[in-house]
This record gives sequence, C-alpha cells and structure tokens, in this order.
Amino acid sequence: EIVLTQSPGTLSLSPGERATLSCRPSQNIRSSYLAWYQQKPGQAPRLLIYDTSSRATGIPDRFSGSGSGTDFTLTISRLEPEDFAVYYCQQYGTSPLTFGGGTKVEIK
Amino acid sequence: EVQLLESGGTLVQPGGSLRLSCAASGFTFSNYAMSWVRQAPGKGLGWVAAISGAGLSTYYADSVKGRFTISRDNSKNTLYLQMNSLRAEDMAVYYCAKGPILYYFDLWGRGTLVTVSS
Repeated sequence: EIVLTQSPGTLSLSPGERATLSCRPSQNIRSSYLAWYQQKPGQAPRLLIYDTSSRATGIPDRFSGSGSGTDFTLTISRLEPEDFAVYYCQQYGTSPLTFGGGTKVEIK
Repeated sequence: EVQLLESGGTLVQPGGSLRLSCAASGFTFSNYAMSWVRQAPGKGLGWVAAISGAGLSTYYADSVKGRFTISRDNSKNTLYLQMNSLRAEDMAVYYCAKGPILYYFDLWGRGTLVTVSS
C-alpha cells in the first residue's frame, strides 16, 4: 500500500502567516489523485482539496493544493483563527485508500 | 440539510459483534457510494470499507476483510457496518462518509465511538 508521510508534524504559526504543509507518498500517485482534509477537535474531517488542486465546495481561496508524483503541498496563504486544526492528506490513486499521519497547525 | 448521522457505537468485549448504522438525509442516497473510515483515539484516519450506490460492489481494508461487512438499505437511506470478531485494535471513532467509490470523501458524519475492552 502507499504510505503517505506528512511533514512537519506540528507547525506553529501566527494568524496572517503562510502555512506550507507537505505530503510525500512512498510511490507515485496515479493521476494526481490526492485530497486534503481539515479536522478540528471533536469534529469530523472536512474535505478541502481533491484531485491535488481542486477546491471543494465552499472552501475559501486561501487554501490551495499543488504537486505531483511523490511531492504534494497544501498552502494556506494567510492563516485565519479558524484554520488552526489538523490537516490530513489522502491518496485514492491505488487501493487501499490511505491517509497521512497529519500535520497540526497550532497558534504560535 | 445534507447530513450523515452515525449510531450504534458502544462498549463491546473482544470477540464480540456490533452493527453500526448511518442515516443519510438531504441527498439522493442511492446515487452515491458510501464508506466507513475510522480513527483510533489520538491517531490518524484509516479507510475501512466502501460500497457502491446500488450496493452491488463492496471493498474492504485487509485488516477487516472477513470480519466486517458493509451494506446499505436504499429504501431507508441507511448505511451499515456489521463488525464481528472485534479486536482491541478495532477501537476507534467510526465515521460514515460519502464520495465517489474509492475516491475522496466530500461529506462526513460526526462519528460513533466503538470501544473494545473486557
């Protein structure tokens, strides 16, 4: 199965700063089938990005995704207070579906 | 309102069985594939099983194959997960999630907690 490695484990930033989260698959992902989710404590995950760079319905444009092959990035251009959460990547190019271990974005 | 609501999670002994349910509303349930995804306490997410819209195709993670069964009743807009031979490592919050079969998940429920302990 494809293992997704997310880094850093924790990102400490201030509101207004730029956040760059990395997701590295153990092998190439077919057709850039990678998604990103946001999860806040006690809540279900929320889809942010699918197909590497397509924003889900209602997701603000400060969230963007990029990458290919074995190197993918989620960028939050300017952090808002509600953006502090855990972010997971997920690949769906190869079965079984797998998720990364998550990156926590915390307030500095 | 478009939503998914899971139920059925509880404390069960190792080796026991449990059936989870997920009630869907606000969309045409039968048109969409559905999945179960779990999250062990303090851990990341893990895909468990998926089923096509008509219920004719099912898929499982190796860790649950032969023990768990995913099913759906489109007349009741409800998704199920029958879990048998439960192990300590099955303890998790179980989410039902909507999305194209074996793709991403664009709608999640709030989850139901399954505790496996003697």
